[in-house]
Amino acid sequence: NAGVTQTPKFQVLKTGQSMTLQCAQDMNHNSMYWYRQDPGMGLRLIYYSASEGTTDKGEVPNGYNVSRLNKREFSLRLESAAPSQTSVYFCASSVRATYNEQFFGPGTRLTVL
Amino acid sequence: QKEVEQNSGPLSVPEGAIASLNCTYSDRVSQSFFWYRQYSGKSPELIMSIYSNGDKEDGRFTAQLNKASQYVSLLIRDSQPSDSATYLCAVNTGGTSYGKLTFGQGTILTVHP
Repeated sequence: NAGVTQTPKFQVLKTGQSMTLQCAQDMNHNSMYWYRQDPGMGLRLIYYSASEGTTDKGEVPNGYNVSRLNKREFSLRLESAAPSQTSVYFCASSVRATYNEQFFGPGTRLTVL
Repeated sequence: QKEVEQNSGPLSVPEGAIASLNCTYSDRVSQSFFWYRQYSGKSPELIMSIYSNGDKEDGRFTAQLNKASQYVSLLIRDSQPSDSATYLCAVNTGGTSYGKLTFGQGTILTVHP
């Protein structure tokens, strides 16, 4: 039981490049989330998926898109990376959106040059 | 006004002492409250959840919730150097209809031998 997994662990991009961050969970959770964490800003919600087939914007969605591929997988795409998107990205999941005990993956450290 | 506020610290306590971490929140309809521990370079790890007023104990950890005062705290008894980490308070600010966790900035705790 791996919990929440994320790939890649590290990535360096040039401005304007695109990439997809992958997330998968094996806990049969319904809800999944993408956060970014920046020094002094705390954890901020980018997008979430309350259940398979639904996605909604969080606090900082600009510049990102998501896909809930199936119940297990939730990907985050940067279409045209900008230096302001340099951050640590965490994926999380919870049994359901209400009450919301969220469990986090190990994170992806992204640098945009 | 920030939705979830924590004293950023650092909070320094000697080994064996009680560490007290505090958090206030602004949304009166918040229903669920969580404490996460985050070691440097790692992902947040859920250590406590609390939903009702009063105290909840789990090993050396006690979470305390006072909804009237909009205040939640975490006590760590018999603090150990391995408890040195950043502690994040998270509040479900979406009511019961869906879960949206808002995180505080975190309190850095240092336990010195």
